[in-house]
Amino acid sequence: AQSVTQPDIHITVSEGASLELRCNYSYGATPYLFWYVQSPGQGLQLLLKYFSGDTLVQGIKGFEAEFKRSQSSFNLRKPSVHWSDAAEYFCAAEYDGAGSYQLTFGKGTKLSVIP
Amino acid sequence: GAGVSQTPSNKVTEKGKYVELRCDPISGHTALYWYRQSLGQGPEFLIYFQGTGAADDSGLPNDRFFAVRPEGSVSTLKIQRTERGDSAVYLCASSLDVMNTEAFFGQGTRLTVV
Repeated sequence: AQSVTQPDIHITVSEGASLELRCNYSYGATPYLFWYVQSPGQGLQLLLKYFSGDTLVQGIKGFEAEFKRSQSSFNLRKPSVHWSDAAEYFCAAEYDGAGSYQLTFGKGTKLSVIP
Repeated sequence: GAGVSQTPSNKVTEKGKYVELRCDPISGHTALYWYRQSLGQGPEFLIYFQGTGAADDSGLPNDRFFAVRPEGSVSTLKIQRTERGDSAVYLCASSLDVMNTEAFFGQGTRLTVV
């Protein structure tokens, strides 16, 4: 079955420190990959997406993600975290097969930022 | 409006009652999706529409759940005989078309069944 795994439920970093959030997918073929952020009381906001091509993807708010086919991973990174980045982050995948356009989400990683 | 609008933002209902949740997608978006997010979980797919038709309803958990989009714009998710296990945040998203997979999400409707 197709699945997305985010191994870290909760991560705490200091403001200004670097960040890496892990995401692994399990699909028969390379899916489309996404990272979303969800702040309290807010809807899910798309940070970045990977469809094909360059495996290093730049997104909004200074985030980037790297697709590694050999590791079935799509980890999210940010070189210097700001207090406003505290939120929940979801990795998602869409498998473009059999006419299905549904997103499969991981369980999310909650990010806390220490001032 | 500029974004996806969902009403109500909160709904408390008694077990066994019927509820309707409404989603107003971004104007011009032909694809519309419903997801359900339980506490501590990521969103789970329920159903998506391309235009007026339900193109994939494989995520609906059982026949108590039904969704419509009669004019290809506003959609209503309907839940009959609600159960406590239906308590969750119901998210709606829309995209320009089904092949453009950048979906924009609403803020959700928090449903509590007591």
